[in-house]
Amino acid sequence: GIQVEQSPPDLILQEGANSTLRCNFSDSVNNLQWFHQNPWGQLINLFYIPSGTKQNGRLSATTVATERYSLLYISSSQTTDSGVYFCAVENMDSNYQLIWGAGTKLIIKP
Amino acid sequence: DAGITQSPRHKVTETGTPVTLRCHQTENHRYMYWYRQDPGHGLRLIHYSYGVKDTDKGEVSDGYSVSRSKTEDFLLTLESATSSQTSVYFCAISEWLLAGEISYEQYFGPGTRLTVT
Repeated sequence: GIQVEQSPPDLILQEGANSTLRCNFSDSVNNLQWFHQNPWGQLINLFYIPSGTKQNGRLSATTVATERYSLLYISSSQTTDSGVYFCAVENMDSNYQLIWGAGTKLIIKP
Repeated sequence: DAGITQSPRHKVTETGTPVTLRCHQTENHRYMYWYRQDPGHGLRLIHYSYGVKDTDKGEVSDGYSVSRSKTEDFLLTLESATSSQTSVYFCAISEWLLAGEISYEQYFGPGTRLTVT
C-alpha cells in the first residue's frame, strides 16, 4: 500500500521563527490533507490540497503531485502553533480512506 | 464546525465487557469513519461507512464492529474489550458540497478516551 513519510519527526523553535514540514508519499493520490492536533488532542483540518498552493493566514501549503510531496509552511510561529502536524493521503482506489503519516511534533518556545 | 459529537468522551471498562461508542453528526454527510490513535502513531482506520447500512473494514478492524442504521449515527462496538483496545477513538465525516462541488475533506469529532483495565 501507499507509504506516507513526514519529516522532521520533531521540531523545536523559538516564537517568531518560520518552519517547513514535509510529507512524501509513495504513489499517486486523489487527495492530500494537512491536520493539526493541538495539545488537548483536538484534530483540526488545515488544508485540503491534492495539488497546487493554498494559504490561510500564517500557514500555507504546496503539493507537487508529480513529484509526490507536500510542504506545510508556518511563518512567524506562535506558541499556539505547538502540537503535532499530520499529513494524510487518499489513494486512487481507496474509497476515500486516508492513509496517515506519523506526524511532526512541533514545540514553539516563548 | 462540522457538527460532530462523540459519546461518551471518557470511559473506563473492564476486560471482557462490551462497549459501544457513538458518533453523531447533524449535517447529513454520507461518509463516516472510526479511527484509533495510539501514542507515537498517526491515526489508523477501523471501519467506515458510505451510507445507511453500508460499511466496510479498515486497516485495524479485528475485534470491532460497526452499525449505521440512520445517516446521523455511526456506532462502534467492542464486543469483548481487551487491554490492547485502550486508545483514543476519533470519529470523522466527509463529503461536503463546497462552492457547488463535492469535497472529501475529513473533519473530526473531539475523540473518546477508552481505558480497558
